[in-house]
Amino acid sequence: QSVLTQPPSVSGAPGQTVTISCSGSSSNIGAGFDVHWYQFSPGAAPKLLIFGSNNRPSGVPGRFSGSKSATSASLAITGLQAEDEADYYCQSYDTNLSGYVFGTGTKVT
Amino acid sequence: HVQLQESGPGLVKPSGTLSLTCAVSGVSISSTHWWNWVRQSPGKGLEWIGEIYHSGRATYNPSLESRVTISVDKSKNEFSLTLDSVTAADTAVYFCAHSSGDHYLDYWGQGNLLTVSS
Repeated sequence: QSVLTQPPSVSGAPGQTVTISCSGSSSNIGAGFDVHWYQFSPGAAPKLLIFGSNNRPSGVPGRFSGSKSATSASLAITGLQAEDEADYYCQSYDTNLSGYVFGTGTKVT
Repeated sequence: HVQLQESGPGLVKPSGTLSLTCAVSGVSISSTHWWNWVRQSPGKGLEWIGEIYHSGRATYNPSLESRVTISVDKSKNEFSLTLDSVTAADTAVYFCAHSSGDHYLDYWGQGNLLTVSS
């Protein structure tokens, strides 16, 4: 059911930078809809990390940043910390579905 | 600060009906917001189920539309999900979530595991 494609996993050492890609199509990201990013950690409610492709909600550390191009987007985590180990999902809006679509998810270790 | 908490039976028999409720606190469900259901299963990843506006207008994922109903109970400040004719494929963690209307989900519940099994 996932319409947006992400790499299954990325890894990095503490302090390093990792980037997660999110590839969509002309009915979602390519149609001009924003990309949003969520962090899923065990035992916790999913957390909104980035909205509107590159905006951080209050309380989200500045080491998380987002970008968007034609039919894809990226989430960068700079200065990787142990607490960043989690699953990350991108999300957009799709005109074919008239609803939300999610990425396949990326595990960061 | 919006807080959401799902509740449900945990186990449903095949061909039965799944019913989940999301209790909302920190905001009135009658305010200008959208209330969503999302599920996560090993086979399908994250799947958007549908959303309802405070007025009662609902939009559903076409793949589930024939079996799903989302409703709002303003007196209890909660909203609910009903899914008919469930199969093992409906086994998943079900999340309720809030949207302010800009197509992203800013608050989520912790999730409720629902298993379909006899």
